[in-house]
Amino acid sequence: GAVVSQHPSWVICKSGTSVKIECRSLDFQATTMFWYRQFPKQSLMLMATSNEGSKATYEQGVEKDKFLINHASLTLSTLTVTSAHPEDSSFYICSAPNPPTGVDTEAFFGQGTRLTVV
Amino acid sequence: EDQVTQSPEALRLQEGESSSLNCSYTVSGLRGLFWYRQDPGKGPEFLFTLYSAGEEKEKERLKATLTKKESFLHITAPKPEDSATYLCAVQARGTSYGKLTFGQGTILTVHP
Repeated sequence: GAVVSQHPSWVICKSGTSVKIECRSLDFQATTMFWYRQFPKQSLMLMATSNEGSKATYEQGVEKDKFLINHASLTLSTLTVTSAHPEDSSFYICSAPNPPTGVDTEAFFGQGTRLTVV
Repeated sequence: EDQVTQSPEALRLQEGESSSLNCSYTVSGLRGLFWYRQDPGKGPEFLFTLYSAGEEKEKERLKATLTKKESFLHITAPKPEDSATYLCAVQARGTSYGKLTFGQGTILTVHP
């Protein structure tokens, strides 16, 4: 299957600082990527849809100024958590569909990033 | 609003004890229903996609089935290495390809 790589796999940051998480599609192009957040023992909640070359689409309740998404190329999307606070500590996971459209489309996930804000 | 509910929340089995996990869904036009396996601290690993009622897919000890309202993941003679969280997700027609709504997952523990 297709490979989606996420970096870093874990990060610890101080409250008030910003953290950038990268999501790369290694062997296919992704015009769209998705960012999810997962709290302990809970399911994945979609935060936003990242669109190559245009603005991201955020789900209701997700602060777009806090979670900055950039999708500058067909293989890379980044999520920046700005002015992080302890309540932002979570497991962040990206995914990308391959092929981009069609009945055979599958969503491939990165390995996730564990963010801890202290 | 699309909704996915999985049951049970947790399931403990003895090695070799077959069972089923349930995924009930409400969606405005189903494009596909997905099953994933997630190990602790990892991203979801794709297992199956089902597209229409009556469809079945198998992979090793796992078999997924689909009706118009729910899906089942049957586990036959499980082994300890099958222990993981199993996630069900739906993709609705009219949404971006790859955009999924997840259930809360079933935590499966298989004891030797």
